[in-house]
Amino acid sequence: AQSVTQLGSHVSVSEGALVLLRCNYSSSVPPYLFWYVQYPNQGLQLLLKYTTGATLVKGINGFEAEFKKSETSFHLTKPSAHMSDAAEYFCAVSDLNAGNMLTFGGGTRLMVKP
Amino acid sequence: EPEVTQTPSHQVTQMGQEVILRCVPISNHLYFYWYRQILGQKVEFLVSFYNNEISEKSEIFDDQFSVERPDGSNFTLKIRSTKLEDSAMYFCASSAHMIYNEQFFGPGTRLTVL
Repeated sequence: AQSVTQLGSHVSVSEGALVLLRCNYSSSVPPYLFWYVQYPNQGLQLLLKYTTGATLVKGINGFEAEFKKSETSFHLTKPSAHMSDAAEYFCAVSDLNAGNMLTFGGGTRLMVKP
Repeated sequence: EPEVTQTPSHQVTQMGQEVILRCVPISNHLYFYWYRQILGQKVEFLVSFYNNEISEKSEIFDDQFSVERPDGSNFTLKIRSTKLEDSAMYFCASSAHMIYNEQFFGPGTRLTVL
């Protein structure tokens, strides 16, 4: 069974500071990994994904994530936080052997201070 | 930009009543999913659906739940006899392909069971 752990349910940064949201996964097969963002009262929006190839993937809104197989990690970063980045972020892993189900981490709420 | 839509946005029902949550996936997508998020908890997979059949279902998706694609555009989730613990946000998602599995999520339906 696959699982995803997001360290830190709440992260607070100052505007302009580095954003680092941590995600570790376990998977018995090569993983497909995703980061989704959820703004208040909205659905989940895909930020970026890793499937194959380059391990550093770039997404929308200046976010990027690096797949590190040896560390089973897929941390999300952004060099400079903006107030509009305040949201909940979910890391997920997909299982092609189980109907494409996504297994989500518990989420990290990012707060950006002015 | 095409998007997944869900209706209603909020449904309040009495325990024991049947509810139907509706979703309109993106028009050229072939794979459909339901997830739920109980307040304060992880997003959990319920079921995936392809070619008019359930591909995979979680242990949450018991006999009280069913899915249907009645008319080629709508995708519905029915809960036959709601329980208090069914109160949650229900998200519909769709994807065009099995491989790479980029799932597009709707805004969700908040179900409140009294």
